[in-house]
Amino acid sequence: DSGVTQTPKHLITATGQRVTLRCSPRSGDLSVYWYQQSLDQGLQFLIQYYNGEERAKGNILERFSAQQFPDLHSELNLSSLELGDSALYFCASSSSGLAGDYTGELFFGEGSRLTVL
Amino acid sequence: DAKTTQPTSMDCAEGRAANLPCNHSTISGNEYVYWYRQIHSQGPQYIIHGLKNNETNEMASLIITEDRKSSTLILPHATLRDTAVYYCIVRPSNTGNQFYFGTGTSLTVIP
Repeated sequence: DSGVTQTPKHLITATGQRVTLRCSPRSGDLSVYWYQQSLDQGLQFLIQYYNGEERAKGNILERFSAQQFPDLHSELNLSSLELGDSALYFCASSSSGLAGDYTGELFFGEGSRLTVL
Repeated sequence: DAKTTQPTSMDCAEGRAANLPCNHSTISGNEYVYWYRQIHSQGPQYIIHGLKNNETNEMASLIITEDRKSSTLILPHATLRDTAVYYCIVRPSNTGNQFYFGTGTSLTVIP
């Protein structure tokens, strides 16, 4: 058990809909990361938050957004869903997150499997 | 970002050592090498990391060449539960703490 909790574990929805994925990081971790893993793309970094502030963006679509709340949990919002958005979405947390800080490995949750029909 | 090259797949007999190579010839002096593994759609799991020296923990050993252009992850006594995709990652020194995963090596431990 990594200590990172993601909900829901499974989600089935239709094209055009909007969903929200939730992540609770390990106790005390300030950084939260979101990754997308689809069959043909591997693990793709989407976005990182550090203590409530956006820290880095990766291959995140404009239809997707995220935020980190004062209690450090994070949500990933996916809107106008398309078939190609079907994937596993992983959240990870780390105790560090600023450039030059090499102390922290990432701890991953078990993922949220999104199926868009 | 320093890129890594790993074999697409490898087999290993149960009980034998599994040696997983990784090439990172463009690594910079202050970039670390990290290894993660992912067991069938579970969340990736941290294994080990190192900078210059060889490292060992309860899961594995990491051997980094003197020129740091390549490394080898060693699982000393592979079990069936070690069947997974293994990712070698070089962490950039100028973009915070993000990890960029490549395609990894799919290791199959054979009974």
